[in-house]
Amino acid sequence: KNQVEQSPQSLIILEGKNCTLQCNYTVSPFSNLRWYKQDTGRGPVSLTIMTFSENTKSNGRYTATLDADTKQSSLHITASQLSDSASYICVVSTEAAGNKLTFGGGTRVLVKP
Amino acid sequence: DTGVSQDPRHKITKRGQNVTFRCDPISEHNRLYWYRQTLGQGPEFLTYFQNEAQLEKSRLLSDRFSAERPKGSFSTLEIQRTEQGDSAMYLCASSSPGTDYGYTFGSGTRLTVV
Repeated sequence: KNQVEQSPQSLIILEGKNCTLQCNYTVSPFSNLRWYKQDTGRGPVSLTIMTFSENTKSNGRYTATLDADTKQSSLHITASQLSDSASYICVVSTEAAGNKLTFGGGTRVLVKP
Repeated sequence: DTGVSQDPRHKITKRGQNVTFRCDPISEHNRLYWYRQTLGQGPEFLTYFQNEAQLEKSRLLSDRFSAERPKGSFSTLEIQRTEQGDSAMYLCASSSPGTDYGYTFGSGTRLTVV
């Protein structure tokens, strides 16, 4: 069964600090891996997308890494801001089945002042 | 057209009633997807269309659920005889083949069945 597992489930960090979120997947075949940010009550918004051949990608203070051999990814948030409080979802896309996405359960991040 | 639009944003209905949601994708996208998301969980795939053809349906999509995309543009998701377990956020997304970067979600419709 295709699965995407994320850790931790939630974390609290102080404003200005860094944090790293983890994602492990068993999805096959693999097309690409995405990280989404989802604010409460809103749809997910794409942060980064990486294909098999890419091992790091940045979007402002967000940096994602991908190890396709170990099927692991991480999302690093640098110098966190209050607006970073959200759920961060790791998503893997398969080549087959119309590019359907398999979602992880998300990591809920709370940034405190 | 700047994104995927979903209507309504919120819907409260009594158990047993029928509800219908609408999704307007980005105009040049020919693929449209429906997902369901319960509190604290990631979205789960329900179904997807390429143009007007419904190409895949998840086992989550019971016979009380039906989705249509009659002209290959907007789509509707209908739930008949709603149950409390149907309470969730229903997300729509659209994309074009070969353009993964264009995969865009709407803001969702929050359904509460009382």
